[in-house]
Amino acid sequence: ILNVEQSPQSLHVQEGDSTNFTCSFPSSNFYALHWYRWETAKSPEALFVMTLNGDEKKKGRISATLNTKEGYSYLYIKGSQPEDSATYLCASYAGGTSYGKLTFGQGTILTVHP
Amino acid sequence: GAVVSQHPSWVICKSGTSVKIECRSLDFQATTMFWYRQFPKQSLMLMATSNEGSKATYEQGVEKDKFLINHASLTLSTLTVTSAHPEDSSFYICSAYRQERLTGANVLTFGAGSRLTVL
Repeated sequence: ILNVEQSPQSLHVQEGDSTNFTCSFPSSNFYALHWYRWETAKSPEALFVMTLNGDEKKKGRISATLNTKEGYSYLYIKGSQPEDSATYLCASYAGGTSYGKLTFGQGTILTVHP
Repeated sequence: GAVVSQHPSWVICKSGTSVKIECRSLDFQATTMFWYRQFPKQSLMLMATSNEGSKATYEQGVEKDKFLINHASLTLSTLTVTSAHPEDSSFYICSAYRQERLTGANVLTFGAGSRLTVL
């Protein structure tokens, strides 16, 4: 069974703070790691898909790193804004295709206070 | 961008009735859709993989006679919770893979989810 764990469960920061959270996943037979942002009353939206050890992806103020050997990924948000408030989900799957079943972590709920 | 439309967004029903949830891919074709369920403060749990024109694949512990899945076309998948009971009350969400134009990565596009309350 593939377990994906995220920490912390929730996080409160002030506007302008930088923050980061962790996703850990089993490293055996790893294929890909996804990050999604899920705002209240909306659908989850894809942030990153990462496959290679040492991968680093960036989208605006948000970036992510991947360590497949030890089975973790970090998501960083630089200069948090209230609109960054959301639940951040990571998901992993093992296997040989890019259309596999994703196993999700329980998410990190980020609240950015103005 | 790619959109998956999911209806209804919330439904309240009496115990013993059946409830149908629809997911439509509006601007892309989805041969496969994934149905997830989420209990409070828990992660999205995959229930089943819906395949166009063939039977769905259910995850271990998910009753296929309780959760009927039909994927009749490349743009529509339905989940029917049959003879619903209070323990079926949950948040159900569908998703399908699409290819991101910019990165070429295959990512899940989600519906907005359906909250089911069974009285």
